[in-house]
Amino acid sequence: EPEVTQTPSHQVTQMGQEVILRCVPISNHLYFYWYRQILGQKVEFLVSFYNNEISEKSEIFDDQFSVERPDGSNFTLKIRSTKLEDSAMYFCASSASLRGGQETQYFGPGTRLLVL
Amino acid sequence: GNSVTQMEGPVTLSEEAFLTINCTYTATGYPSLFWYVQYPGEGLQLLLKATKADDKGSNKGFEATYRKETTSFHLEKGSVQVSDSAVYFCALGKGTGGGNKLTFGTGTQLKVEL
Repeated sequence: EPEVTQTPSHQVTQMGQEVILRCVPISNHLYFYWYRQILGQKVEFLVSFYNNEISEKSEIFDDQFSVERPDGSNFTLKIRSTKLEDSAMYFCASSASLRGGQETQYFGPGTRLLVL
Repeated sequence: GNSVTQMEGPVTLSEEAFLTINCTYTATGYPSLFWYVQYPGEGLQLLLKATKADDKGSNKGFEATYRKETTSFHLEKGSVQVSDSAVYFCALGKGTGGGNKLTFGTGTQLKVEL
């Protein structure tokens, strides 16, 4: 069964450093998402991406964050200058379509980011 | 805005007990509703979904019915197993222009003991 993959599974970085989290969505999917889950808290939406542009972003997704689909398979989340509060599990997801919100989003296993 | 409220956990049950995890939502229009499950050390997996009022989603013995009149989507299972131990997230999906963000509840941890 096709699945979303994410690398690395764990990332430790120093405050102020740039990190890039990588995702390979399911191959025929067109819509891509990033969510994050701070330890013990709810899963929060960060950004959605379609047709090579951001379609929606949350208040969390400020100028320090960016997303890119550099080739036909990868989808990346970059944090330019990490802060302690960026420590979280970051999930990538993809869906084949939207269908008015009915379409299932398939999640990757996550990247646990720890900012020291 | 959209929001999802789930019952607080953790919930501890004996094997073969009946499970209910409450979920209510606030949304404009006609959202789709989802239950995702997160097993220890893993990502989120779709458990079931319902896309319109009175629909019942079901999978692996779990069921949830989309109740518009009570804005609820409670998760139930008649007989839980130790392998059902996980965190369960209720989520709401609604298309917004070109994107479709999911709004999640806080998650309910379920622990099933022998």
